[in-house]
Amino acid sequence: TQLLEQSPQFLSIQEGENLTVYCNSSSVFSSLQWYRQEPGEGPVLLVTVVTGGEVKKLKRLTFQFGDARKDSSLHITAAQPGDTGLYLCGTGGGADGLTFGKGTHLIIQP
Amino acid sequence: DAGVTQSPTHLIKTRGQQVTLRCSPKSGHDTVSWYQQALGQEPQFIFQYYEEEERQRGNFPDRFSGHQFPNYSSELNVNALLLGDSALYLCASSLRIGAAGANVLTFGAGSRLTVL
Repeated sequence: TQLLEQSPQFLSIQEGENLTVYCNSSSVFSSLQWYRQEPGEGPVLLVTVVTGGEVKKLKRLTFQFGDARKDSSLHITAAQPGDTGLYLCGTGGGADGLTFGKGTHLIIQP
Repeated sequence: DAGVTQSPTHLIKTRGQQVTLRCSPKSGHDTVSWYQQALGQEPQFIFQYYEEEERQRGNFPDRFSGHQFPNYSSELNVNALLLGDSALYLCASSLRIGAAGANVLTFGAGSRLTVL
């Protein structure tokens, strides 16, 4: 099972600020997924990155996949209270199931 | 298009009891996986069902068992409940292994189990 390290574990910032969340492994990812989970709900897929060096944008969210495919980052520009939630990176998802990082608990204060 | 539906949403049991949780996959999906998410933690893979058979299992004891029906819906059963089984149980559906996009999971909202 591939181990994923996410940082920071907790982050509380003011509305309008920027932030970056990191996901790292000592092993190469075949692919990596980012999810957001709100309280009382299941995780919702934000993006899947597959190719080393890949950059994907989803409105104010920018996802990067490292060239060596061992790390990924999620950058949020001008954070809003609606961005509050648990952000999870995950890999796998085939027969062995998804392995998730510990997650980043993000709070955006108005 | 309905997503993944789970029932019940909340339930309370006592130690030693048994519980059954239910899941209907997203339309078009034929593979169901179950995850356990303790409070404040990440989801942990329990097992996956495809073609009515358990295909892979995470690090969970035999007290956790499941079933998949011909209509692809699934049940998770937990026997001899322990306090530590208190968690959000998530069901996720996907396409069959080997299909394009098979690792893209759609999660339900979960069943919150409290064991007293």
